[in-house]
Amino acid sequence: DGGITQSPKYLFRKEGQNVTLSCEQNLNHDAMYWYRQDPGQGLRLIYYSQIVNDFQKGDIAEGYSVSREKKESFPLTVTSAQKNPTAFYLCASSEGRLRLYNEQFFGPGTRLTVL
Amino acid sequence: ILNVEQSPQSLHVQEGDSTNFTCSFPSSNFYALHWYRWETAKSPEALFVMTLNGDEKKKGRISATLNTKEGYSYLYIKGSQPEDSATYLCAFDGGSNYKLTFGKGTLLTVNP
Repeated sequence: DGGITQSPKYLFRKEGQNVTLSCEQNLNHDAMYWYRQDPGQGLRLIYYSQIVNDFQKGDIAEGYSVSREKKESFPLTVTSAQKNPTAFYLCASSEGRLRLYNEQFFGPGTRLTVL
Repeated sequence: ILNVEQSPQSLHVQEGDSTNFTCSFPSSNFYALHWYRWETAKSPEALFVMTLNGDEKKKGRISATLNTKEGYSYLYIKGSQPEDSATYLCAFDGGSNYKLTFGKGTLLTVNP
């Protein structure tokens, strides 16, 4: 069963703690993405990776970090420097340069609440 | 930052009504326009990728049109059903670095 998994579905953390959100895909996609959604806002791009061992900042990268050591995995760390970390986080992947149009496939999301 | 606008923000219709909503986007550097459907508690799923001016695509009761010269796309739902209730997102693709810029979405509620 191919797809994108994100875990956990709900995550609670105390203010000042770093937290890592998991994203795994078995679609053999080259590109992966992290988005954040806040009430009344569209999806905003945090980081993206076009290929293993490479990633670029999106529009709102401050306070976040990522790694891309394996093709299937793109974990996102929300650091204590992120001023408003409580949000819904979506991971996505796409075939990247192999496909003409960048159709993205999404995971189910993780809702992070910082107390 | 690119401006992708969707209207209306939310919409309530009765079962059987037909409805439509709009996505407006920059008319320059256009590469593709994506429509996604996002049901509550599920992942967004792709509906259409629109690429050419004048494109019209259809999937069942849902169709979409594209005008790249004026920078808008319409999504139409014919004979709405309660299962059509979802947020419909559009995303502008300027063709660089695999980035998509999303609108805020239109939340459709279809009442039985």
